[in-house]
Formats: sequence, C-alpha cells, structure tokens
Amino acid sequence: DTAVSQTPKYLVTQMGNDKSIKCEQNLGHDTMYWYKQDSKKFLKIMFSYNNKELIINETVPNRFSPKSPDKAHLNLHINSLELGDSAVYFCASSRLTGNTEAFFGQGTRLTVV
Amino acid sequence: AQTVTQSQPEMSVQEAETVTLSCTYDTSESDYYLFWYKQPPSRQMILVIRQEAYKQQNATENRFSVNFQKAAKSFSLKISDSQLGDAAMYFCAYRRRSNQFYFGTGTSLTVIP
Repeated sequence: DTAVSQTPKYLVTQMGNDKSIKCEQNLGHDTMYWYKQDSKKFLKIMFSYNNKELIINETVPNRFSPKSPDKAHLNLHINSLELGDSAVYFCASSRLTGNTEAFFGQGTRLTVV
Repeated sequence: AQTVTQSQPEMSVQEAETVTLSCTYDTSESDYYLFWYKQPPSRQMILVIRQEAYKQQNATENRFSVNFQKAAKSFSLKISDSQLGDAAMYFCAYRRRSNQFYFGTGTSLTVIP
C-alpha cells in the first residue's frame, strides 16, 4: 500500500484556470507538507499543517491554499494559474516527534500552458 | 532561519569507487535531525540515511555513511563501491524539532561505468 499518495501525477492546464492536487497519507502522521520543486530541482517548502496549525511560507502567493479535511489529507488548491506555477509539487508527511524522516508522495508535474 | 548548503551541483564517480557529497547547514538549535535523500529520474524521494544531532557516532547504512561534524555544522555523505543505480540527485535535509524540514539545493551524481 502506498504510504503517501497524491493525484494526479500529471496535470496540464491553461493559464487562469483553478486546479487542485489531492494528497492522502495512511501512516497516521501528525504533520503534512507541500513542497514545490522547480526546474532546477530546488525543493521549497510551501506549507506545513500540523494538528490544524497551518504554517505558511511567506513567499507563497495567496493563490495557493491548502485544505485539510482531516489529519490524513492535505489538498492543494491553486487559483488563477500562471506560467510560473509550472513545477513538480510534492506532498509529504511525518510524525511530530522522534527521529523520523518525511515520507514523500510521487509528485505531481504541473504544466501551465 | 535554517539554511542548508550543498556546494557541489554535480559530481561524478567511477563505478565501484567512493564518492563524498558535501553538506553544510546553519542553525542556532542544538537538537535537530539530518537526512540524506536520493531522487532518481523516477522523481520519487527516497531516504538514504539519517543522523540525530545528539549522537556523536556517524550513521551508516550498508554502502552509505556520513561524516557528521556538529561544531562545523557539516554533514557529508560517503558512498562506497558506487553502483550504476546510485546515479540520482541527492538532497541533504535538516529537520527542526518543530518538524519543519529544509532541503539543500541538491547534488546530481553521475556514475560512470
């Protein structure tokens, strides 16, 4: 069974559209994250969500909004998509305490045309 | 703010040889965790090795080992007996006690047959 799964794997859409990427983890983890990986492979934290506490990276445009219906899900909604939003988006999760790594989903390649 | 620096954008190694990837980080915390992740072309993020800052002993996982120098804030990864399957992007990561992860810019490793 996949520990962290995100859908879709690929998403091609036009500028100005609104889209969502879904993420689910079955590990019982307390914290979930969204990362953006650009064309240079830089991994930047966008959001972390921990027991209903949302920590936002201040550089993320407010067109991006995370939505967490429950502890196992953290979806990413993007309004008014721009060309510069094209990237791979990774969902991840981890336990709150202890020496635990972040478990990653397989990534969603978003292409805005 | 925590920053993670990988000064080698690209590295190459002959098959069966040893290579060391560098990582330094900046922090004012005394308790934290460090990780190395591997990202092959499949783009899946795979944990390679982890290190707790309070442990002086360097972590090892089969052919992978680290050289953790806490005072110098250095965390290098050594890959012994390199194999073709080791070719990938390697990311150094720092995790705060608050469960925030920060990643370096990555090192692209090529293994030459």
